[in-house]
Amino acid sequence: KQEVTQIPAALSVPEGENLVLNCSFTDSAIYNLQWFRQDPGKGLTSLLLIQSSQREQTSGRLNASLDKSSGRSTLYIAASQPGDSATYLCAARRAAGNKLTFGGGTRVLVKP
Amino acid sequence: DGGITQSPKYLFRKEGQNVTLSCEQNLNHDAMYWYRQDPGQGLRLIYYSQIVNDFQKGDIAEGYSVSREKKESFPLTVTSAQKNPTAFYLCASSISPLGYEQYFGPGTRLTVT
Repeated sequence: KQEVTQIPAALSVPEGENLVLNCSFTDSAIYNLQWFRQDPGKGLTSLLLIQSSQREQTSGRLNASLDKSSGRSTLYIAASQPGDSATYLCAARRAAGNKLTFGGGTRVLVKP
Repeated sequence: DGGITQSPKYLFRKEGQNVTLSCEQNLNHDAMYWYRQDPGQGLRLIYYSQIVNDFQKGDIAEGYSVSREKKESFPLTVTSAQKNPTAFYLCASSISPLGYEQYFGPGTRLTVT
């Protein structure tokens, strides 16, 4: 059974610092992994989808890496801004038609 | 404007009452999903539907029911059999169930007292 863990549960950084968010999964046989952002009381916004054949995916200041052999994905956010404050969740999919398994999320606060 | 709508945003019910949460999408997506989120936790899958008139149980289906009579709509009923119904409920859709990105609605916060 796939388990997804995100540590730490909360993170506080000064504005301008790079953010590094971790996601670990127990079953390396994943199909893809998706990173989401969630603002308080809101739904999820998809940030990046990284396929199992990819090592990384980039969008603007965001970069996600995937290392299946070690069961880890990392989301990097360059030059953080107060507007990046939110909860970030990762979710792994085991097979093409299978469900997403979510981590518990990392709550990020970027202080001006 | 394409997207997923959920209504209402906040819902209050007395214990013992059934309640139905609405989810509508105009993205022409085949697959739709219902998740539950408890404070400080990730999402858990309740039910999903890969195509009209078909749906499957997720990890925590007990006390919930769904229907998929139209492609655009996937309502979730929280029955009185659900022991801890107070939670944030999120609906999602994807173009197909075959590993594509899931897109989420704004959520409904249900409080049962």
